[in-house]
Amino acid sequence: EAQLVESGGVLVQPGGSLRLSCAASGFTFNRYWMSWVRQAPGRGLEWVANINDDGSETYYVNSMEGRFTISRDNAKNSLYLEMNSPRDEDTAIYYCARGGEKGTVDYWGQGILVTVSS
Amino acid sequence: DVVMTQSPLSLPVTLGQPASISCTSTQSLEHSDGYTYLNWFQQRPGQSPRRLIYKVSERDSGVPDRFSGSGSGTDFTLKISRVEAEDVGVYYCLQGLHWPWTFGQGTKVEI
Repeated sequence: EAQLVESGGVLVQPGGSLRLSCAASGFTFNRYWMSWVRQAPGRGLEWVANINDDGSETYYVNSMEGRFTISRDNAKNSLYLEMNSPRDEDTAIYYCARGGEKGTVDYWGQGILVTVSS
Repeated sequence: DVVMTQSPLSLPVTLGQPASISCTSTQSLEHSDGYTYLNWFQQRPGQSPRRLIYKVSERDSGVPDRFSGSGSGTDFTLKISRVEAEDVGVYYCLQGLHWPWTFGQGTKVEI
């Protein structure tokens, strides 16, 4: 069965930088689009970004474009999210999810908490 | 962006009784390929979201058949035929047709 495990969550200062990782196993990673979704404390789910199977196409929600970068390393079965100049409102649990084309995602990681605070 | 509106936002339920959640989108979710890209997710307390339903009515493997999805175009419904204690949590609809993909606000189901 597919498994996704996020890592890299920490306390980061506004204006700093951070890279989240998601290790994938149990499926052929390079055949799937991948996504990041986030959830602020006590709030609903919000889409962040998608990346296609070979990493040549990326898509971002407007409010995050230019600040966040989604990438992948298929040789390492890993997905990444680089956050530059994070803001207080970027504080959230960040989930990686398998999928991002054909209208759906199926498997989700357990999530990783990122806290942006001075 | 496409706005997904769920109702109700809070749903008190009785064990063994049916429950229903509505989700409405501001644009049609029907693709030219004939599929409609509407999903339902369940998030139990302290857990990650879990997909229950995709393409309006396709149930995921392992999802009890008391869960069913229906609808078309812009109006969709998730039904639980007989609520069980393990169904407590927040349910979200997600549209996967128009970028950016967007979720409904979530419906909290509680006994």
